Amino acid sequence: KAGVTQTPRYLIKTRGQQVTLSCSPISGHRSVSWYQQTPGQGLQFLFEYFSETQRNKGNFPGRFSGRQFSNSRSEMNVSTLELGDSALYLCASGTLAGASLNTQYFGPGTRLTVL
Amino acid sequence: AQSVAQPEDQVNVAEGNPLTVKCTYSVSGNPYLFWYVQYPNRGLQFLLKYITGDNLVKGSYGFEAEFNKSQTSFHLKKPSALVSDSALYFCAVRDVGGSYIPTFGRGTSLIVHP
Repeated sequence: KAGVTQTPRYLIKTRGQQVTLSCSPISGHRSVSWYQQTPGQGLQFLFEYFSETQRNKGNFPGRFSGRQFSNSRSEMNVSTLELGDSALYLCASGTLAGASLNTQYFGPGTRLTVL
Repeated sequence: AQSVAQPEDQVNVAEGNPLTVKCTYSVSGNPYLFWYVQYPNRGLQFLLKYITGDNLVKGSYGFEAEFNKSQTSFHLKKPSALVSDSALYFCAVRDVGGSYIPTFGRGTSLIVHP
């Protein structure tokens, strides 16, 4: 069974631009969660989607948004990029709703660099 | 509010020796606890979890963790370290009766020397 895939793997943007990251969960998984990983703040939960509905949201500004499609694929969008948005963005999929009630399977991440 | 602490940024151990990576937590209710490992340029991989039941939890790759409610700890252990165990380890917690949002520790870099 294929694992979680994230595209692109690497991305370079400039301040003020917007970016869209994509995550394809493991086949049959309906839950997708997004995390931001930085050296300073560590690993922080962004949001979770289940069956196309946002179920949980972390403490991030409205510039960070996401959505999930009927095939469970998810996209995350960051508008008006800031230097501090440079991070590794991780996607995780699972079978159940509730970000940590079930075992999550993580993708390799998208490395975003904002210049 | 929930929180988790990994007091050691780095743990060094010789191959073949036992290893311990420490994790303490704080929740208002009962905890769900998790350990994940991250290899360079890779996402996180699930190692083990404690939900309820036996305080000693066995996980992947020979790792185990002991839930200690009185000390609010969930230390990760392995009897005999391998060089290939060298990676970044994350502890995570969620309050059973609280938010669904997990809180991760800052991570501990485990270095196993040959």
